[in-house]
Amino acid sequence: QVQLQQWGAGLLKPSETLSLTCAVYGGSFSGYYWSWIRQPPGKGLEWIGEINHSGSTNYNPSLKSRVTISVDTSKNQFSLKLSSVTAADTAVYYCARRITMVRGVITTHWFDPWGQGTLVTVSS
Amino acid sequence: SYVLTQPPSVSVAPGKTARITCGGNNIGSKSVHWYQQKPGQAPVLVIYYDSDRPSGIPERFSGSNSGNTATLTISRVEAGDEADYYCQVWDSSSDHPGVVFGGGTKLTVL
Repeated sequence: QVQLQQWGAGLLKPSETLSLTCAVYGGSFSGYYWSWIRQPPGKGLEWIGEINHSGSTNYNPSLKSRVTISVDTSKNQFSLKLSSVTAADTAVYYCARRITMVRGVITTHWFDPWGQGTLVTVSS
Repeated sequence: SYVLTQPPSVSVAPGKTARITCGGNNIGSKSVHWYQQKPGQAPVLVIYYDSDRPSGIPERFSGSNSGNTATLTISRVEAGDEADYYCQVWDSSSDHPGVVFGGGTKLTVL
């Protein structure tokens, strides 16, 4: 049973850099992409980006200029950095495993499991 | 970019059937996944690939997808089903393929 455990600073000032890490326990690390997803208070889910064990990344175009996702395969961990944060970046940040399935001509992806979430508040 | 539209809220009495819709242009040509999120908790996958259930998810949860609407159906609703539900697709049709989530539906058990 794969489990994700995440941690990082919960209170930042505007212009600082958000930094979170997610550790993967109990399953294969190399066979998947590993994602970051966030949820502003009372709002919906926004995919931030992802990385695989080789370091290949994909980012949400709306955040790409500020996001860096990295991986440490020796520890089965991956990390998120988001620079120049503002109040609009206040959210619960989740890590998650992305699963891919191909059936016929359709390739699709979903997320399971998720980390417990980390509330990051940006305030002066 | 691709947009998924969900009703903000759905209410249902215990024991009845709840249907939560997720609308999108020709969504029937995509695979839809559903997540349940209870207050203060991380989302949990309840349906993947339109209608498949992960292990541990009750048979009361089912899904369908056709035309411009995907539907999550919860039969014999229980108080513990009260939560926010999100649909999700992978959009490969735009210039920037990626993950798309619906805005979420709050299910209230009366």
